[in-house]
Amino acid sequence: DGGITQSPKYLFRKEGQNVTLSCEQNLNHDAMYWYRQDPGQGLRLIYYSQIVNDFQKGDIAEGYSVSREKKESFPLTVTSAQKNPTAFYLCASSTGGGSSYNEQFFGPGTRLTVL
Amino acid sequence: AQSVTQLDSHVSVSEGTPVLLRCNYSSSYSPSLFWYVQHPNKGLQLLLKYTSAATLVKGINGFEAEFKKSETSFHLTKPSAHMSDAAEYFCVVSDKRVGFQKLVFGTGTRLLVSP
Repeated sequence: DGGITQSPKYLFRKEGQNVTLSCEQNLNHDAMYWYRQDPGQGLRLIYYSQIVNDFQKGDIAEGYSVSREKKESFPLTVTSAQKNPTAFYLCASSTGGGSSYNEQFFGPGTRLTVL
Repeated sequence: AQSVTQLDSHVSVSEGTPVLLRCNYSSSYSPSLFWYVQHPNKGLQLLLKYTSAATLVKGINGFEAEFKKSETSFHLTKPSAHMSDAAEYFCVVSDKRVGFQKLVFGTGTRLLVSP
């Protein structure tokens, strides 16, 4: 079955540590996205990538970094510079091309908690 | 800027009664609008999307939404609620201006279904 996988499902981090969240898709999509979800705030865009080896900052990129070395993979690193990293993180992908009609497909999410 | 406002943070219905989740949008041109559903600790799933082909849009699981330009609304309805409909629902607009598919999310409506 085609889809998006995220790992781990739950992640605990000590303050001052960097952690990396995995996102893999086998939908052959060009575009991938990372969102952060906080209670009562909907989803906010962290980073997006429209093609391999290219990515751009979204609305809340500070304290995060990404890479896009393979079409299938778009890992997100939450660095120690992110002051409030406890949240639910969602990865998504779409066929890209800039069309506003394209559906974005979402992974199951990773819940990150800072201890 | 594109934006959506979900008018209710929580909606409670009894099983078998109609569901109405309200969404108003703000856009300077014809928008692309979506409704996504999220079950607890899961990713998001597309219910339906409006792409200007028809004002009444039918989605999965018996949901539908009507695009009303005069009222700038895109309310989600279902004739008869089922217990499995209990989830969080997001109204989403796609921002066409930025060269990629940027989704702007509402803050969500939590649907509670009682027996």
